[in-house]
Amino acid sequence: ETGVTQTPRHLVMGMTNKKSLKCEQHLGHNAMYWYKQSAKKPLELMFVYNFKEQTENNSVPSRFSPECPNSSHLFLHLHTLQPEDSALYLCASSQGPLAGGLSGELFFGEGSRLTVL
Amino acid sequence: RKEVEQDPGPFNVPEGATVAFNCTYSNSASQSFFWYRQDCRKEPKLLMSVYSSGNEDGRFTAQLNRASQYISLLIRDSKLSDSATYLCVVNVSGGYQKVTFGTGTKLQVIP
Repeated sequence: ETGVTQTPRHLVMGMTNKKSLKCEQHLGHNAMYWYKQSAKKPLELMFVYNFKEQTENNSVPSRFSPECPNSSHLFLHLHTLQPEDSALYLCASSQGPLAGGLSGELFFGEGSRLTVL
Repeated sequence: RKEVEQDPGPFNVPEGATVAFNCTYSNSASQSFFWYRQDCRKEPKLLMSVYSSGNEDGRFTAQLNRASQYISLLIRDSKLSDSATYLCVVNVSGGYQKVTFGTGTKLQVIP
């Protein structure tokens, strides 16, 4: 069983659809993250949850809505997206808010590749 | 100026060659530094942390130059399996809010 699993791996949706991305971590970590990776751009942090409380919303449009029911599960609900939202969405977890502050190790899932038509 | 800047490459090198990547960062308050590796269509994975005194892990050597605000990654005796994109990561505050990724440098090791 891999540490961080994401489903679906690929998603194609229209601009009026509602869909959700799911992430589950089996590492006993307390912090979970959503990142967006677009072509030729650096990873962009979207949301951070620490002990299932949202501690960061990096100016993300409201058409992206995160949900963290517990420390092991994280969802990203998608609604009325735009074509420019097409990207790889990566979930990550870490022991704490970057455990001890300086360890830097984020464990990523394989990502959900989203295409918005 | 970008917060973290890397040459996107690609760097095409023959097997056995030595290759070095640099990464510059703009915030002098940056506290911790890392190299991640991302294979094609896969997730990023931590390769190594970068310590002030420099550190080595097998064929990989990472160095930090605070005065000039750059970090480097040296790969000796390149293997085909080293082909990947190498992401420079800088953490300003020690917390998650200020972890900034570079766009990555693509390495292709050629037989």
